[in-house]
Amino acid sequence: AQTVTQSQPEMSVQEAETVTLSCTYDTSESDYYLFWYKQPPSRQMILVIRQEAYKQQNATENRFSVNFQKAAKSFSLKISDSQLGDAAMYFCAYRSNNNNDMRFGAGTRLTVKP
Amino acid sequence: DAEITQSPRHKITETGRQVTLACHQTWNHNNMFWYRQDLGHGLRLIHYSYGVHDTNKGEVSDGYSVSRSNTEDLPLTLESAASSQTSVYFCASSTGPPGELFFGEGSRLTVL
Repeated sequence: AQTVTQSQPEMSVQEAETVTLSCTYDTSESDYYLFWYKQPPSRQMILVIRQEAYKQQNATENRFSVNFQKAAKSFSLKISDSQLGDAAMYFCAYRSNNNNDMRFGAGTRLTVKP
Repeated sequence: DAEITQSPRHKITETGRQVTLACHQTWNHNNMFWYRQDLGHGLRLIHYSYGVHDTNKGEVSDGYSVSRSNTEDLPLTLESAASSQTSVYFCASSTGPPGELFFGEGSRLTVL
């Protein structure tokens, strides 16, 4: 079964600075999708960004971008110009194209300091 | 707007009691999922369904069951609640890959 590892339980960043959250995954598949979800204190799960494994170009959504290294099985999230509202739990997730379920990492709690 | 709702949002029960958490989605998605969230473990898959009358076990399915009698609902039942099942439970639905999962707001269950 695929596993997703987030090695940073907690991270902190100064407001307006840049922070990178790490994620690695283990799979023998070549066709899959990777996601970052944000969970603020409200507990709601919010999609931040998605990456298709067949695409070489890294996905970008406004201040959020990823560094996808397929050979290294690495999928990090970069948050630029951090804002207080970015403070949340961030989960990396893997979804196979062969089966429908989605597997999550343990999460990284991001604190943003004013 | 389409949505996915869970009920109850909070529940306290006693060890040994049967508990059912409801999940209802109006996205008309075939795929539905139940996860539990625990500190240090992220979200772990309990059960999932690809359509009506289809159910599958996830990585932490012991002590849980689901049934899918229509597209909109996937109730999660704890047959005999245990303290180890104290957790926050999330229901989600989606189209097939590469679609994202749409999550409910979570149900916090405490088993005393």
